[in-house]
Amino acid sequence: QSVLTQPPSVSAAPGQKVTISCSGASSNIGNNDVSWYQQLPGTAPKLLIYDNNKRPSGIPDRFSGSKSGSSATLGITGLQTGDEADYYCGTWDSSLSAVVFGGGTKLTVL
Amino acid sequence: EVPLVESGGGLVQPGQSLRLSCRASGFTFGDYLMSWFRQAPGEGLEWVGFIRSRAYGGTTEYAASVKGRFTISRDDSKSIAYLQMNSLKTEDTAVYYCIRAPFNTLNFDYWGQGTLVTVSS
Repeated sequence: QSVLTQPPSVSAAPGQKVTISCSGASSNIGNNDVSWYQQLPGTAPKLLIYDNNKRPSGIPDRFSGSKSGSSATLGITGLQTGDEADYYCGTWDSSLSAVVFGGGTKLTVL
Repeated sequence: EVPLVESGGGLVQPGQSLRLSCRASGFTFGDYLMSWFRQAPGEGLEWVGFIRSRAYGGTTEYAASVKGRFTISRDDSKSIAYLQMNSLKTEDTAVYYCIRAPFNTLNFDYWGQGTLVTVSS
C-alpha cells in the first residue's frame, strides 16, 4: 500500500486534457513540496514537476502541477500519444522520515 | 555523456550480499544528494534511501524495509555512490535506480538507467 493515493489509470483522447490526483496527509503533501515523474515504457523515470508547480528546463508547459491542502494534481493538456506513460507523485513524509510515492497512474491516450 | 551509470547488479541467493555502484559524470557530484530507488517487476517506484552531500552533513536516511540491511555511501573524490545490500531477500528483487537531487532538495532531477538485482535460490 502506497502512502500517497493515485488513481490506477486515466485515459483521454489526443488533444484533450487530463488531470491526475495525488492524495496524502498533513505529514507529507500537507507540509512538503510535491514532485511528479513520468516513466515511459521500458525507461527510467523523468522529473516533470518539482516544488509543486515548477517545470525543469525542457519540460513543455503542457504539463502543470498544483497543490491544495494535502492533495496535489498533475495536469496535461494537448495530449499526445507520446504521453502514454506511468505517472508518479512523490514527497517527503515528516512522520515517517521517508520519501513516499504514489502507486502510479497509467495514462492511456485513446 | 550519461550523468549516472549503475553497475553491480546480478543474481544472488537469499541471505547473500551485493554492492551496487553509481558512477557520476558531467556535474559536480559533491553538490548533490544521491539516492537509490527500486522498482520490482510490474510494480511502482519504491524509495530505498539517500545520502546527503557533505555540505549537509553527509548523513543518510533509509526506508523501513531496508533499514539495518542496506547502507548507502559516497566517494566524492571518485564521483561514485554505493549501495551495499546485505541479508538479501527475494522481495528485494527489482531494478535499482541511482538518482541525484541538487543540494539538499528531494527534486530527483536525473535518474540512471537502472541495474537489475535478482534474489533467488
